[in-house]
Amino acid sequence: KQEVTQIPAALSVPEGENLVLNCSFTDSAIYNLQWFRQDPGKGLTSLLLIQSSQREQTSGRLNASLDKSSGRSTLYIAASQPGDSATYLCAVREGGFKTIFGAGTRLFVKA
Amino acid sequence: EAGVAQSPRYKIIEKRQSVAFWCNPISGHATLYWYQQILGQGPKLLIQFQNNGVVDDSQLPKDRFSAERLKGVDSTLKIQPAKLEDSAVYLCASSLGQGKHNEQFFGPGTRLTVL
Repeated sequence: KQEVTQIPAALSVPEGENLVLNCSFTDSAIYNLQWFRQDPGKGLTSLLLIQSSQREQTSGRLNASLDKSSGRSTLYIAASQPGDSATYLCAVREGGFKTIFGAGTRLFVKA
Repeated sequence: EAGVAQSPRYKIIEKRQSVAFWCNPISGHATLYWYQQILGQGPKLLIQFQNNGVVDDSQLPKDRFSAERLKGVDSTLKIQPAKLEDSAVYLCASSLGQGKHNEQFFGPGTRLTVL
């Protein structure tokens, strides 16, 4: 059974710092992996999607990497800003099309 | 382009009552998902439709939950009767298809409180 874990559960950093959020999964037979952000009381906003055949994806200050063999993905945020404060969720899509989410990392960027 | 629409945004009911949620996906999106997100947890997939057919409903508590997508467009999720532990945010998402390049896009969710 696929399990998705995100560490740390919460993170507080000063503005301007570069940071890495981690996502690990137990079964490497995945279809894709998607990173989302969730603001309080809101739905999820898609950030990046990495297909199983890809190693990384970039969008602006965000870079996501995928290492299927080790069951890990990282989301790198460059030059963090207070507006980046949110909960970041990773979701693994299995070959049978089921999507499994991690519990998220709550990020707070201090001005 | 309009996003995923959901209604209502908030609902408060008493246990044993019934409730229904509505979702309208992004135009042209064949795949529709319903998730349950309990406070402090990641979303859990309840049911996934491809057009009007069910792809996966293995985590849907079928004794009380039901969902339909009759014309392959909008969808309703129903709970009957509700229990206290059903208090959660119910999220609807859609994607163009089920290919590995297809991103899921989420609606704002419906926050359900069961008293």
